[in-house]
Amino acid sequence: NAGVMQNPRHLVRRRGQEARLRCSPMKGHSHVYWYRQLPEEGLKFMVYLQKENIIDESGMPKERFSAEFPKEGPSILRIQQVVRGDSAAYFCASSPRGVSYNSPLHFGNGTRLTVT
Amino acid sequence: AQKITQTQPGMFVQEKEAVTLDCTYDTSDPSYGLFWYKQPSSGEMIFLIYQGSYDQQNATEGRYSLNFQKARKSANLVISASQLGDSAMYFCAMSLNSGYSTLTFGKGTMLLVSP
Repeated sequence: NAGVMQNPRHLVRRRGQEARLRCSPMKGHSHVYWYRQLPEEGLKFMVYLQKENIIDESGMPKERFSAEFPKEGPSILRIQQVVRGDSAAYFCASSPRGVSYNSPLHFGNGTRLTVT
Repeated sequence: AQKITQTQPGMFVQEKEAVTLDCTYDTSDPSYGLFWYKQPSSGEMIFLIYQGSYDQQNATEGRYSLNFQKARKSANLVISASQLGDSAMYFCAMSLNSGYSTLTFGKGTMLLVSP
């Protein structure tokens, strides 16, 4: 059973360009989470999605950031007009029924975004 | 809102010795879960161990055990017989068991195991 797949592994964008990060959850998982990790920091929650629905986007900046998890295909985290402060590792995680009792999140290997 | 605190930025241990990584948490919710993840230098996040707030016994998974002290709100990770491959960042995390919940992470502890 393949794990959570994220691509690309590394992404370089110039200031002002758009970044698209993709995440395919584990088979059978319909809950997807996106986290951001800045250097020397822990993971910060951004957004929680279930198929076609945004459940919680309280951690996502109001502007330039958006996320979707369509009925078919991977979840996409989209950052428009990137700035240097967006440089970070972005992790996707999935679970079969959301984070709750005895239900850990399974993480992908992350996408390292560098804005030049 | 829940909060996780890891007060040790870095820890050193010699191979084959045991080491304890500290984690304290804060929540007013009676039902929650505590998780530990390992992040080696390659960057992936690896789930290690879980403890539920109502579990009577401390969780164990191989060389990992969780020293859960509910009254003190602490969930320390104990790694026995350290190996060189244990060198990594370790993150404590928490979720609530009510409604839709997410994982809240601490800032992590860097563990270095020396020969």
